[in-house]
Amino acid sequence: DSGVTQTPKHLITATGQRVTLRCSPRSGDLSVYWYQQSLDQGLQFLIHYYNGEERAKGNILERFSAQQFPDLHSELNLSSLELGDSALYFCASSVRPSEGYGYTFGSGTRLTVV
Amino acid sequence: AQSVTQLDSQVPVFEEAPVELRCNYSSSVSVYLFWYVQYPNQGLQLLLKYLSGSTLVKGINGFEAEFNKSQTSFHLRKPSVHISDTAEYFCAVSVPSGYSTLTFGKGTMLLVSP
Repeated sequence: DSGVTQTPKHLITATGQRVTLRCSPRSGDLSVYWYQQSLDQGLQFLIHYYNGEERAKGNILERFSAQQFPDLHSELNLSSLELGDSALYFCASSVRPSEGYGYTFGSGTRLTVV
Repeated sequence: AQSVTQLDSQVPVFEEAPVELRCNYSSSVSVYLFWYVQYPNQGLQLLLKYLSGSTLVKGINGFEAEFNKSQTSFHLRKPSVHISDTAEYFCAVSVPSGYSTLTFGKGTMLLVSP
């Protein structure tokens, strides 16, 4: 157990629908990152939150949004889902990434859009 | 911006043989370098990292990596692999400032056979 909890582990939904992925970071970590992993694109950075505030955006579609709550858990919202959004979505947390602490990853949510 | 190139998408090797997984990076500033491992149906786990100092870094499970600034490389090595080392290995880079995020290579699948 890495200490980063992601729910649900699997999600199957239809095109056009909206889903919410949840992440609880490791205790003490203020930074939360979301990544999308697909066979063709590899690991793509989506968004970074630090202590409730958005700090960096990567290749995140406008249909996707995220937030980090006061208790530091984070949610990634995916709307108007398309078949191409099927992927593994990882959450990671870190205590002081600028000092080289690296990230601790959750086990991911596998999203299948049908 | 930083980028990472993992030259081999797949590396087949026999059990107890040595292995090297190659990683090259691009950056105009100094970097932190990481290797992560992903076992099937799991999240990413940190193997080792280079922040500064000695260019030879030792990690978990008998892996080590060598930072070569002139060749902008950070190759991962293990003198004798086991079946259980079969997994995907990711090289990643970040910069030691601000809210820098990890940029990953596309991964190398290490396939160990008896």
